[in-house]
Amino acid sequence: DVKVTQSSRYLVKRTGEKVFLECVQDMDHENMFWYRQDPGLGLRLIYFSYDVKMKEKGDIPEGYSVSREKKERFSLILESASTNQTSMYLCASRDDLFATGELFFGEGSRLTVL
Amino acid sequence: AQSVSQHNHHVILSEAASLELGCNYSYGGTVNLFWYVQYPGQHLQLLLKYFSGDPLVKGIKGFEAEFIKSKFSFNLRKPSVQWSDTAEYFCAVHPKDNFNKFYFGSGTKLNVKP
Repeated sequence: DVKVTQSSRYLVKRTGEKVFLECVQDMDHENMFWYRQDPGLGLRLIYFSYDVKMKEKGDIPEGYSVSREKKERFSLILESASTNQTSMYLCASRDDLFATGELFFGEGSRLTVL
Repeated sequence: AQSVSQHNHHVILSEAASLELGCNYSYGGTVNLFWYVQYPGQHLQLLLKYFSGDPLVKGIKGFEAEFIKSKFSFNLRKPSVQWSDTAEYFCAVHPKDNFNKFYFGSGTKLNVKP
């Protein structure tokens, strides 16, 4: 079974702090994603990465950056957290081999910015 | 822009009732279609997917979905729900010509009364 692990389930940060959300997958997937989940809005793509050191902006990249130094690890960075970034953050990975492949999700990191 | 509409935001059913959750999308090209489920406190997991062939697909836990191309719909059904089906359900559309883009609906919360 694919396992996608997000290091922090719950975080509370103050406005202006730098925040790191870490995600590790154990199935050698090329593609990794960061989504934001908000009630009534579904999942919105922040960034994704299709290879080490490669990244592409999703639909809502403003205020976020990402880092992928190793294939299994994909980090989401909030340079200066703001209250409107309070949300549930979901990491996902996907195999490159199959065009029909689905996303595998981690358990989520719930971030509260005060 | 592509969009995915889930018409029911919150559904309350009694056990043994039949379930149908609607999903419509706006995209003119060929797509892969998914239903994901998120049980309380758990990660998003795949219920079922359609990528070609028989438009009626069966998934885990007795769920099925029917792809109606002419209606751009992919509705989820279950003949008899159980209390353990209480969860949030998300429809997702993946355009086949955009490898890493998944578009999610806003989700439907299902509450099954015992």
